[in-house]
Amino acid sequence: NAGVTQTPKFRILKIGQSMTLQCTQDMNHNYMYWYRQDPGMGLKLIYYSVGAGITDKGEVPNGYNVSRSTTEDFPLRLELAAPSQTSVYFCASSYVQGPNQPQHFGDGTRLSIL
Amino acid sequence: DAKTTQPPSMDCAEGRAANLPCNHSTISGNEYVYWYRQIHSQGPQYIIHGLKNNETNEMASLIITEDRKSSTLILPHATLRDTAVYYCIVKSLLSGGFKTIFGAGTRLFVKA
Repeated sequence: NAGVTQTPKFRILKIGQSMTLQCTQDMNHNYMYWYRQDPGMGLKLIYYSVGAGITDKGEVPNGYNVSRSTTEDFPLRLELAAPSQTSVYFCASSYVQGPNQPQHFGDGTRLSIL
Repeated sequence: DAKTTQPPSMDCAEGRAANLPCNHSTISGNEYVYWYRQIHSQGPQYIIHGLKNNETNEMASLIITEDRKSSTLILPHATLRDTAVYYCIVKSLLSGGFKTIFGAGTRLFVKA
């Protein structure tokens, strides 16, 4: 099983450039999430989605946008890249919302803004 | 969500049991305790979760105290590949999974 797949694995951007981080899952999960992880820190939630067409902000949404046109895909877009967005980005999914469902994570996208 | 407190790092000898503690003294009745681990900057990996009973799966055991204010993750026979950062998290019915809060975790070093 592929699980949660993120692309690209690595990327270097210049300040002011834009890009889209791709995330797809093949587990038919309703819920999907984007996190960022700065060095030595835990994960912080950027955006989440409870189903196709529905998204909402997490803890640190500024500078990012998301869309959810299908159950499988949940892309994260950076419109004007800033050095503060240098981080590792993780996408996750879960079958349903609620405390009795674990999240499944991708292997991350390592993004550097120079 | 209740906050959790974990030691920043621990050592364990290969082949021995690794016991990772977590304090969650403000946990409420509908909050589950989850454990994830992150190996060398890979995506976090789900290990185990529980509400109030002890739980065991192929990876680990979870021991939750009777008052639910603390728990211990037990890796029964640690291997070098278990070296990772281990996160203890509580998740509640009200806030749901999308407000899962990851702290700094415990960095476990398994030594030969």
